[in-house]
Amino acid sequence: AQSVTQLGSHVSVSEGALVLLRCNYSSSVPPYLFWYVQYPNQGLQLLLKYTSAATLVKGINGFEAEFKKSETSFHLTKPSAHMSDAAEYFCAVSAPFGNEKLTFGTGTRLTIIP
Amino acid sequence: DAGVIQSPRHEVTEMGQEVTLRCKPISGHDYLFWYRQTMMRGLELLIYFNNNVPIDDSGMPEDRFSAKMPNASFSTLKIQPSEPRDSAVYFCASSLGQGLFGANVLTFGAGSRLTVL
Repeated sequence: AQSVTQLGSHVSVSEGALVLLRCNYSSSVPPYLFWYVQYPNQGLQLLLKYTSAATLVKGINGFEAEFKKSETSFHLTKPSAHMSDAAEYFCAVSAPFGNEKLTFGTGTRLTIIP
Repeated sequence: DAGVIQSPRHEVTEMGQEVTLRCKPISGHDYLFWYRQTMMRGLELLIYFNNNVPIDDSGMPEDRFSAKMPNASFSTLKIQPSEPRDSAVYFCASSLGQGLFGANVLTFGAGSRLTVL
C-alpha cells in the first residue's frame, strides 16, 4: 500500500520568500508522486508529477519538486511566493503498473503574507 | 472541453432524505473516481470505475452509499438515507489512466458541497 504524509497543515510565507511544502511517502514499490493545488471552492488541479524519469520535476506556476529516494521525500518548492499562490496543496501517491488509485495526503494550507 | 461537470454544486437536505450527486466526466476518459473531502478525514477515495465497471469500492463507507455509471458520460453517487456525518464536499474526477502518460493524472470537477441537517 502507498501513503503520503504532509508535514505542516498550515504554512505562512512572506510574498517573495521561498515556499517549501513537505511531503514524505511510503511505498512498497517505486511510486508515482503528484502535487495538486486547490483554490477556494474549486476542485484540485495538477501542479506536477514524478514518474521515475528526472528526479527534479518542474510544474506550472514556477513550482518544482525533487524526488529523493534516500529520504522518501517529494517536497514542493517555489523560489519566490506570489499572493496568487495562496491555496491548499496536496501531495499524492500511486503505484505504477496498472494501479490507478491515487492516495492523497491531508493537505497543507499556504498563506502568503503581503 | 468543459472539464468534469458535477451537479448540484450545493445541496442542503434533512437527515433521512435521499441525496443524488451527478457527474459528467471528460469525453474519452476511461476512469472515473469519486472522492469525499472533510476537514477531519481529508480526501478519501470512495469508489472508482474503469470503462463503466466499478473496480474498487472499498472506500464506500457503508451500505447507505451507492454509485453507478450507466454509460461513459454519466455517473451518480447516491446516499440513502443521509445522515449529518455525510456532510462533506464530494468530488468527481476522471482520467485516461496510466496507459498513455505513464501516470494517472486526474482532472477534478468543482465538487458538490453536501450539508445534511
